[in-house]
Amino acid sequence: ELKVEQNPLFLSMQEGKNYTIYCNYSTTSDRLYWYRQDPGKSLESLFVLLSNGAVKQEGRLMASLDTKARLSTLHITAAVHDLSATYFCAVDMRGFGNEKLTFGTGTRLTIIP
Amino acid sequence: GAVVSQHPSRVICKSGTSVKIECRSLDFQATTMFWYRQFPKQSLMLMATSNEGSKATYEQGVEKDKFLINHASLTLSTLTVTSAHPEDSSFYICSAQGQGEVYGYTFGSGTRLTVV
Repeated sequence: ELKVEQNPLFLSMQEGKNYTIYCNYSTTSDRLYWYRQDPGKSLESLFVLLSNGAVKQEGRLMASLDTKARLSTLHITAAVHDLSATYFCAVDMRGFGNEKLTFGTGTRLTIIP
Repeated sequence: GAVVSQHPSRVICKSGTSVKIECRSLDFQATTMFWYRQFPKQSLMLMATSNEGSKATYEQGVEKDKFLINHASLTLSTLTVTSAHPEDSSFYICSAQGQGEVYGYTFGSGTRLTVV
C-alpha cells in the first residue's frame, strides 16, 4: 500500500525566512502534484512534476522531484503572510496500474508577520 | 482551463435523510471521477473512483450502499449519502480526470455536509 508522508505537519515561520516541506512516498512513481488548500476551500493546483529531476517554480515557491529517493520538496523563499495555508503533496500511480491520487498528510503553514 | 463545478457548496440535512452532491466537468469530458472525504484538519481520503457507464470502485472501508455513486455521462457524476448520520458530516470533494490535453486532475469546489 502506498504511503505518502509529509514533514513537518505544522510549520510556523516568520516573514522573510526560507523553509522546505518534504514529501516522502513508499512506492515507485514518476508523477507527483502539489496543492494548496485555504481554510474551508477546495484544492488549488500548484505544481505538476512528471519526471525524475523535475523542478518547477512559481513566485516564492519551488518544487522538485527525485523519483529514485522517492522524495519531493516544496521550497518557500522569503515567505509572506499570503502563503499561509495547508499544503498537500499527492502521488499519482497512473502508469503503474492504479489511476488515483494518494495524498500526503498535509503541512499547515503559518507565516508570522 | 479545465473547470469542475460541484453543487451544493453547503448542505445541512436531518439525520436519516439522503443528500445528493453533483460534480460536473464544464469544458471537458471526464472519463474518470473521484470522490474524496476530508474531516477537519485531516488529509483527503479517497472514497471511490467512477468511470462513465460502469459501477464505481470503492476504497476499503467505504460502504457502497451508503455512498451511492452514479457516473451516467462523461460530464456528470453524483454522490448520494443515504440515511445520513452526524458522523457523515464532512467536506466532500470531487475530482475529474480527462483525456488528451486535459491530463491532470481538476478538483471541484467541495461540499460541506452537516448532518443534524
